Amino acid sequence: QKEVEQNSGPLSVPEGAIASLNCTYSDRVSQSFFWYRQYSGKSPELIMSIYSNGDKEDGRFTAQLNKASQYVSLLIRDSQPSDSATYLCAVTVSRDTGRRALTFGSGTRLQVQP
Amino acid sequence: GAGVSQTPSNKVTEKGKYVELRCDPISGHTALYWYRQSLGQGPEFLIYFQGTGAADDSGLPNDRFFAVRPEGSVSTLKIQRTERGDSAVYLCASSSNHRDTEAFFGQGTRLTVV
Repeated sequence: QKEVEQNSGPLSVPEGAIASLNCTYSDRVSQSFFWYRQYSGKSPELIMSIYSNGDKEDGRFTAQLNKASQYVSLLIRDSQPSDSATYLCAVTVSRDTGRRALTFGSGTRLQVQP
Repeated sequence: GAGVSQTPSNKVTEKGKYVELRCDPISGHTALYWYRQSLGQGPEFLIYFQGTGAADDSGLPNDRFFAVRPEGSVSTLKIQRTERGDSAVYLCASSSNHRDTEAFFGQGTRLTVV
């Protein structure tokens, strides 16, 4: 099992719809969760962070965290073609060394159709 | 500078050669991370520094890879005897400390081994 799992997509939604992106993680002691957006040929750009159970809203973006289910999601309201990108879920994961590092999923490609 | 700076942006090298990739983090950021990303994959953790020391190097794939951060600011990732499989985008990120704060990426170095 991968430490952080995401559906690779593509997830296709019409313009103006809600896009829902999901991520599961295996390390129960993970405490920090991040969503990054990556446009083709560019580096990841941080869009949301969440540290406690529940929802966190920032503009059109809402991150949702459920630690009991080891699940984190990102909702994008009123999706725009400019939101078309790969969305990376990142989680702090414990390692054999006892340290914790930021670990990424493989990303979900989102396509917003005009 | 305002963001994480990586040089060079592109590097083409012959198989068996030695390369150095440089990362200049955001001023004042004590934590620095190196990742590499292959096409269609999420960033793969290599190493992170807290200050001058490598706090976790468990992601380095083998002893051909080495990284330093002698003064706690600029870091250099060194790859000896490069192989074609080393071809990837090498990403650097920094954060204000390791404990679960937001990490920001540079634009990456695209390494091509021919």
